[in-house]
Amino acid sequence: NAGVTQTPKFQVLKTGQSMTLQCAQDMNHNSMYWYRQDPGMGLRLIYYSASEGTTDKGEVPNGYNVSRLNKREFSLRLESAAPSQTSVYFCASNLRTDSYEQYFGPGTRLTVT
Amino acid sequence: RKEVEQDPGPFNVPEGATVAFNCTYSNSASQSFFWYRQDCRKEPKLLMSVYSSGNEDGRFTAQLNRASQYISLLIRDSKLSDSATYLCVVRSGAGNMLTFGGGTRLMVKP
Repeated sequence: NAGVTQTPKFQVLKTGQSMTLQCAQDMNHNSMYWYRQDPGMGLRLIYYSASEGTTDKGEVPNGYNVSRLNKREFSLRLESAAPSQTSVYFCASNLRTDSYEQYFGPGTRLTVT
Repeated sequence: RKEVEQDPGPFNVPEGATVAFNCTYSNSASQSFFWYRQDCRKEPKLLMSVYSSGNEDGRFTAQLNRASQYISLLIRDSKLSDSATYLCVVRSGAGNMLTFGGGTRLMVKP
């Protein structure tokens, strides 16, 4: 089992460009999450999907969109990247939203110039 | 005010030392509490849950003080491999989402 995988690992974008971050899990989890991590800020929830077919905003959703493609995959899209979106992005999953242990992917380091 | 606050450190300690971190949370309705560990440039992983009566896992002891709204983590006999960032995490009622503190960095020196 690979657990939670994310692609790409690194990305540099210019302001205004768009891109999609991919996340997949093979643990048959129902819930999936996207976080961003900035120095000193901890992880902040961008969007989450409690189950296949549903998505909800987290703490910092502005500038992002998500798609829960199927039970395994949850993608995050930046339509028009801004320097403020420079961050490390983590995808996570767990069996249910009230299950405390979330399993994280290795992260995507994104720089927007 | 941040919902979960931690001293960012770094805490520099020699091998074998005992070190303690505290964390405060602002939402009195918070239901569950955890410590996650994050190695440099890696993803966070669950270290341990924090129970009201306090709990121990080997060299690690976690305590919860609901009245004062703080959580602590004690590490005894520190190892070089304990060097990492420790994230205080709280699960609150609204949607059962996890809220992460900014982390406390620990560096254990030989």
